[in-house]
Amino acid sequence: DTAVSQTPKYLVTQMGNDKSIKCEQNLGHDTMYWYKQDSKKFLKIMFSYNNKELIINETVPNRFSPKSPDKAHLNLHINSLELGDSAVYFCASRPITGRNTEAFFGQGTRLTVV
Amino acid sequence: GQNIDQPTEMTATEGAIVQINCTYQTSGFNGLFWYQQHAGEAPTFLSYNVLDGLEEKGRFSSFLSRSKGYSYLLLKELQMKDSASYLCAVRDGGGGDYKLSFGAGTTVTVRA
Repeated sequence: DTAVSQTPKYLVTQMGNDKSIKCEQNLGHDTMYWYKQDSKKFLKIMFSYNNKELIINETVPNRFSPKSPDKAHLNLHINSLELGDSAVYFCASRPITGRNTEAFFGQGTRLTVV
Repeated sequence: GQNIDQPTEMTATEGAIVQINCTYQTSGFNGLFWYQQHAGEAPTFLSYNVLDGLEEKGRFSSFLSRSKGYSYLLLKELQMKDSASYLCAVRDGGGGDYKLSFGAGTTVTVRA
């Protein structure tokens, strides 16, 4: 009954490969996000979707392509992986209504590119 | 955009009080959040401020001054389990156009 779940939790892959990370939320939220947390623990927003529509794209290389088949899912596909892509990727969701609604985070996917 | 600054590290003794400051500059302020993140885990919500003043939640309190672009998180009666990173986050916009930007986090170490 996990609220925001990501798979896989760990991902080790070689440079140049293509990989996907999946995210699902069972909270009925309208808005979902992808964040990247680098080695310095800085959590940076990458994308935001609202009801399957892209709302925020924070100048992320176009090797990163989010896909939202429905409002409960937001997947992240990464092409031609580079060493600098190594980080922890967090998915999050939030209901659209209510000013004080916080974002709920998944457990993270630790991506290591070798 | 937002510039969010908070100290990198703080150390305190079990049972003590620690105050983590956060200053921000934003083009459209719409609330400030504090999150706790234990090593290897997801950030979890602690508190929210949108109006000036103090919000108290048990051992944790958060203060906001919008005119000064300043907030602090106060942790009282520190316990060993409070050793974690504390993230200040500012919301810009509302509704679907919602951007939550984080500071780099403050690592708090609680010593016996």
